Amino acid sequence: EAGVVQSPRYKIIEKKQPVAFWCNPISGHNTLYWYRQNLGQGPELLIRYENEEAVDDSQLPKDRFSAERLKGVDSTLKIQPAELGDSAVYLCASSLGGGARDEQYFGPGTRLTVT
Amino acid sequence: AQSVTQLDSQVPVFEEAPVELRCNYSSSVSVYLFWYVQYPNQGLQLLLKYLSGSTLVESINGFEAEFNKSQTSFHLRKPSVHISDTAEYFCAVSEGKAGTALIFGKGTTLSVSS
Repeated sequence: EAGVVQSPRYKIIEKKQPVAFWCNPISGHNTLYWYRQNLGQGPELLIRYENEEAVDDSQLPKDRFSAERLKGVDSTLKIQPAELGDSAVYLCASSLGGGARDEQYFGPGTRLTVT
Repeated sequence: AQSVTQLDSQVPVFEEAPVELRCNYSSSVSVYLFWYVQYPNQGLQLLLKYLSGSTLVESINGFEAEFNKSQTSFHLRKPSVHISDTAEYFCAVSEGKAGTALIFGKGTTLSVSS
C-alpha cells in the first residue's frame, strides 16, 4: 500500500512570496491532517478534514494560510505571503476515520525555508 | 488543556545498553497515548499506543511503554538498543473522544553509538 505522498520535499522562497504544498493521502482514508513542525518542536495541527469538509481549522492562521481538499482526496496548503517565521516542516497525515483511536499515517513532509 | 512533556531533549547511549525516554502528560479526562518515531528524512511512524486494557504495550522491534495513570506518565523503554534505533521519538496524547487532535511533545533525540 502506498503511503502518504507530499510534494515538494523541499522549498526555498523569499519572504512575501506565495508557496503551496500538495498532499495525496492513503487511498480510502477519509480524514486528512496538516501539521506544522518548527525546529526542535513536535508537530502542531493546522487543519483537519473529514472528506472535503474542514472540521477543525482553529489553529490555521487564516490571514495568510488557506487549504482545500477538493473531492475529498488530495489536499493543498497555501501560504500567501510567506513570512520568515513560516520556515518549518509541513506534514500531511491521513487516517481511516477521525476518531481518537484511528492511527494517523504521516508523509515525509515539506521543508520550507523562507529567506 | 492537554499538554505533553518530554523531559529529555537528547539521550545518548551506547549500543546494547538499556534506554528510557520519559513522557508525562496533563489532561483532565481519559486519554489515549502514543509514541511516534521519526528516522532521518522520513515521516513519523507509529511505534506503539495505549488505548485501553493492559497498561504495558509493546512494539514489534523491542520497545515497550507503560501507562501510569497516577503518575500521568507513558515512558518508553528498550532493554538493549541498536544503532538503527537512532531517531527522534515523539510522545503524543489524545483525549478519548472523536474529533480531538493529537498533542505532541517536543521530541527526544536518541543517539546510539558503538
